Amino acid sequence: RKEVEQDPGPFNVPEGATVAFNCTYSNSASQSFFWYRQDCRKEPKLLMSVYSSGNEDGRFTAQLNRASQYISLLIRDSKLSDSATYLCVVKTGGFKTIFGAGTRLFVKA
Amino acid sequence: NAGVTQTPKFQVLKTGQSMTLQCAQDMNHNSMYWYRQDPGMGLRLIYYSASEGTTDKGEVPNGYNVSRLNKREFSLRLESAAPSQTSVYFCASGDSETGSNQPQHFGDGTRLSIL
Repeated sequence: RKEVEQDPGPFNVPEGATVAFNCTYSNSASQSFFWYRQDCRKEPKLLMSVYSSGNEDGRFTAQLNRASQYISLLIRDSKLSDSATYLCVVKTGGFKTIFGAGTRLFVKA
Repeated sequence: NAGVTQTPKFQVLKTGQSMTLQCAQDMNHNSMYWYRQDPGMGLRLIYYSASEGTTDKGEVPNGYNVSRLNKREFSLRLESAAPSQTSVYFCASGDSETGSNQPQHFGDGTRLSIL
């Protein structure tokens, strides 16, 4: 079993739609959680950190469920510019950071 | 703001050749990392350096060596390139001390092809 698992997609949604991604992690000792965005042939860029109480940044909402060991990302009112691969990232103490393989999102006009 | 700078951006090598990928960061971060990314796979850690003067193996270190030249610079060397090392290589830096919630920041990658 992979340490961090994501649905690879692709998710194809129309503009204005709401879309949600889930990510599961296997190590219950994981401490920090992030969502990164990666555009085609570009470097990963931090989208948002994920806090235990859940957090929101504009159209993006991240949630953490420690009991079930998953994190989620909700994107509301999707824009064409949201088309990218979204990477779930889990940090398990020290310097060990595990990246999921990513979920591809295509937003269509 | 430069952030994390990688050179070169593209490189084609023949099997058996050697080369060094360079990485520098100007964010005064203690930790630096080298990853490779292959199609359909997540980023895999090759080596990391928790602080100046230290380096440790990651998930896929075979065939690579690293040098943490100073706090700013962390290089990755392929001594004898193999086709299996064709990949996109990313350097990252961060203040990733134990318990820290700080994320990593990435360079824009080196696309390496081994023929």
